[in-house]
Amino acid sequence: GQNIDQPTEMTATEGAIVQINCTYQTSGFNGLFWYQQHAGEAPTFLSYNVLDGLEEKGRFSSFLSRSKGYSYLLLKELQMKDSASYLCAVSDSNYQLIWGAGTKLIIKP
Amino acid sequence: GAVVSQHPSRVICKSGTSVKIECRSLDFQATTMFWYRQFPKQSLMLMATSNEGSKATYEQGVEKDKFLINHASLTLSTLTVTSAHPEDSSFYICSARYSGEAETQYFGPGTRLLVL
Repeated sequence: GQNIDQPTEMTATEGAIVQINCTYQTSGFNGLFWYQQHAGEAPTFLSYNVLDGLEEKGRFSSFLSRSKGYSYLLLKELQMKDSASYLCAVSDSNYQLIWGAGTKLIIKP
Repeated sequence: GAVVSQHPSRVICKSGTSVKIECRSLDFQATTMFWYRQFPKQSLMLMATSNEGSKATYEQGVEKDKFLINHASLTLSTLTVTSAHPEDSSFYICSARYSGEAETQYFGPGTRLLVL
């Protein structure tokens, strides 16, 4: 079966760095996405990785290792507004997105 | 770019009525649109995939006669919840992707449906 695993909840301090991991097992792979979702709102696109390595975009970076079925989202210089759920999703062989359950990130002052 | 809108943002209706939700891609042509449902504190659940001009493909367990999807143009898809019941109360979110960026789905802001 297809499976996406990510931690349910994480807590970090304002100004710090946090890494949210995602492991996946899917039938085929056409890329991995990270989305941010604030409570009561729709997801917003953060990043897309299809090749191995690190993609940096401002305070957010995303890493992919296809051989390990692993990705992480790295958030630097955390701000209170970063408190949200972070969703990992993999595009499978049919280009359908398989979603993880999301990681709720709590930022404390 | 890649902005998706939904209308209405919030709707309250009586049990037994039908509700139509519109999803529009504002600055691109969406070859494929997706409809998701999200219950509180749960992840997104794909309901159906629609391609312009063809019938929607529904996920297992989603009643196609209850959730009518029309993708009449490259910028508009509609979801109609027919004979809505309280258990249909949920957050409905559409997303769209276009041929120029075959992977990324861009999400609309969502529609919160409450059936009394």
